[in-house]
Amino acid sequence: DAKTTQPNSMESNEEEPVHLPCNHSTISGTDYIHWYRQLPSQGPEYVIHGLTSNVNNRMASLAIAEDRKSSTLILHRATLRDAAVYYCILRDQGGKLIFGQGTELSVKP
Amino acid sequence: ETGVTQTPRHLVMGMTNKKSLKCEQHLGHNAMYWYKQSAKKPLELMFVYSLEERVENNSVPSRFSPECPNSSHLFLHLHTLQPEDSALYLCASSQGGQGHYGYTFGSGTRLTVV
Repeated sequence: DAKTTQPNSMESNEEEPVHLPCNHSTISGTDYIHWYRQLPSQGPEYVIHGLTSNVNNRMASLAIAEDRKSSTLILHRATLRDAAVYYCILRDQGGKLIFGQGTELSVKP
Repeated sequence: ETGVTQTPRHLVMGMTNKKSLKCEQHLGHNAMYWYKQSAKKPLELMFVYSLEERVENNSVPSRFSPECPNSSHLFLHLHTLQPEDSALYLCASSQGGQGHYGYTFGSGTRLTVV
């Protein structure tokens, strides 16, 4: 499984945008970039995924570099409820979801 | 409620007990998974079931025994566990193994072995 690298932790202020980076220099052409988040005492929750083009949904936006070696999850206006561990995971056709350490996001009021 | 229901939410068991964790999904997914999350560690994939057939067992000790009687239900049978098996056990499901499908997770069972 291809690896991803994320910062261990990030801080944000409430109502400001947050950009969570992820490096995946060994990504292959068929790997999808998935993002999940895990709130305290809960199971992980799907956030967004993409292959080549940028993606938007009601939770977040995913910006994918042209060479696909990195991506950024964008939360447009952070709220206190967005404090969680965010995981960036590469998933290939038939591949499993293998979690790394993720980025622990804290949001300050 | 995510669509994947795990019971019980909390379980305390002795090392000589036998217990089972249950997972249920009615999302029409055909793949189900067990993960273990120990304190301050990433999730570890334990077992993968696809179309009710076990397709992966990641070197999990035999004291953990999964069962998938149909595509909607997944069990994890536990016996003679050790204190280091205390963890959050998470079940997930997906529509097959294709890369463009996401996983839906349950809220987990918090297991304490005493």
